Amino acid sequence: EAQVTQNPRYLITVTGKKLTVTCSQNMNHEYMSWYRQDPGLGLRQIYYSMNVEVTDKGDVPEGYKVSRKEKRNFPLILESPSPNQTSLYFCASSPGTGVSGNTIYFGEGSWLTVV
Amino acid sequence: GESVGLHLPTLSVQEGDNSIINCAYSNSASDYFIWYKQESGKGPQFIIDIRSNMDKRQGQRVTVLLNKTVKHLSLQIAATQPGDSAVYFCAENNNAGNMLTFGGGTRLMVKP
Repeated sequence: EAQVTQNPRYLITVTGKKLTVTCSQNMNHEYMSWYRQDPGLGLRQIYYSMNVEVTDKGDVPEGYKVSRKEKRNFPLILESPSPNQTSLYFCASSPGTGVSGNTIYFGEGSWLTVV
Repeated sequence: GESVGLHLPTLSVQEGDNSIINCAYSNSASDYFIWYKQESGKGPQFIIDIRSNMDKRQGQRVTVLLNKTVKHLSLQIAATQPGDSAVYFCAENNNAGNMLTFGGGTRLMVKP
């Protein structure tokens, strides 16, 4: 089954404790991205990657890092999480190297709470 | 999990009626638009898309209309069903990059 898999789905962590949210897709997609979703703000793009070893900042990259060492994986790293990073995070992927004209598939989301 | 979009505009329709969800986009350079449906506890799901060289596109029970003059996008759902209850987002792709910018979303509630 074609899917985008995120882990963990739910996490409560403390300020400053590094964490990684993994994302894996089994569709051989070139394009992957991370979004955060907050009440009243919709989805905002954090980082995206058009292919292996190619990553770019989205609208809200501060406080986040990503890596794309393999095509299928695109982990989101919070080096020093802060409470304002409490949010619902979505990973997404699409075929091709861009967004336009390519259906984007979203993961089920990761609820992150930083206390 | 907690419901996101606690302060979303809400459209309430009777089952069987047609629904129209509207979206204003911001970038006149955007050339690709998408509607997503998000059910509670799930990720956004692609519904339909449209390019800027079109003003209308139809799918199964859904139609997207694009008015570039006023930068307005709408999603029409025919014969709305309880399963259509969800939050609907429009998204635009500006051709300056490979990013999607999402609107704030509209909650559709279908009354049986």
